[in-house]
Amino acid sequence: DSGVTQTPKHLITATGQRVTLRCSPRSGDLSVYWYQQSLDQGLQFLIQYYNGEERAKGNILERFSAQQFPDLHSELNLSSLELGDSALYFCASSVGDGTRSYEQYFGPGTRLTVT
Amino acid sequence: GNSVTQMEGPVTLSEEAFLTINCTYTATGYPSLFWYVQYPGEGLQLLLKATKADDKGSNKGFEATYRKETTSFHLEKGSVQVSDSAVYFCALKGRSGGYQKVTFGTGTKLQVIP
Repeated sequence: DSGVTQTPKHLITATGQRVTLRCSPRSGDLSVYWYQQSLDQGLQFLIQYYNGEERAKGNILERFSAQQFPDLHSELNLSSLELGDSALYFCASSVGDGTRSYEQYFGPGTRLTVT
Repeated sequence: GNSVTQMEGPVTLSEEAFLTINCTYTATGYPSLFWYVQYPGEGLQLLLKATKADDKGSNKGFEATYRKETTSFHLEKGSVQVSDSAVYFCALKGRSGGYQKVTFGTGTKLQVIP
């Protein structure tokens, strides 16, 4: 158990809908990272927040957005869902802001299926 | 930009066989290098890391050496067990587009048979 929690574990929804994925980082970690893992794209970095502020951006679509709240939990919002958005979405956390090689601890993931 | 290339799987080995999973990278500057492992139905776990050239990361019998001259970070284990069956990801952490980002390889599935 990494200490990172993600809800829900599974999510099935229809095209065009909007969903919110939630992540709680390990106690004491200030950074939250979101990743998408799909069969054709592999593991892709989406976005990082550090202490409530966006810190780094990866291959995140405009239909997707994220935020980190004062209690440090984070939400990833996916809207106008398409079939290709079906994937495993992982959250990870680390103690630092990403400038040093602190370990990232991964949550168990949320499996999103868009039908 | 930064990239990581690792050997395609799946790799199937008998128990106690020697394992090598190749990983090469492209990056500017001096990235840190990692191996992560993903067991079925779970998230990724850090297996080992190396932060500078010639460093050797090791954990649970796995080893990898940061080779700057060949831009490689191959994962090795002398004697694999059935419990090592998992997907292994090579990754680098380096500067890309003004940020420090982690870039993952596509993963290599290892299956160890008794």
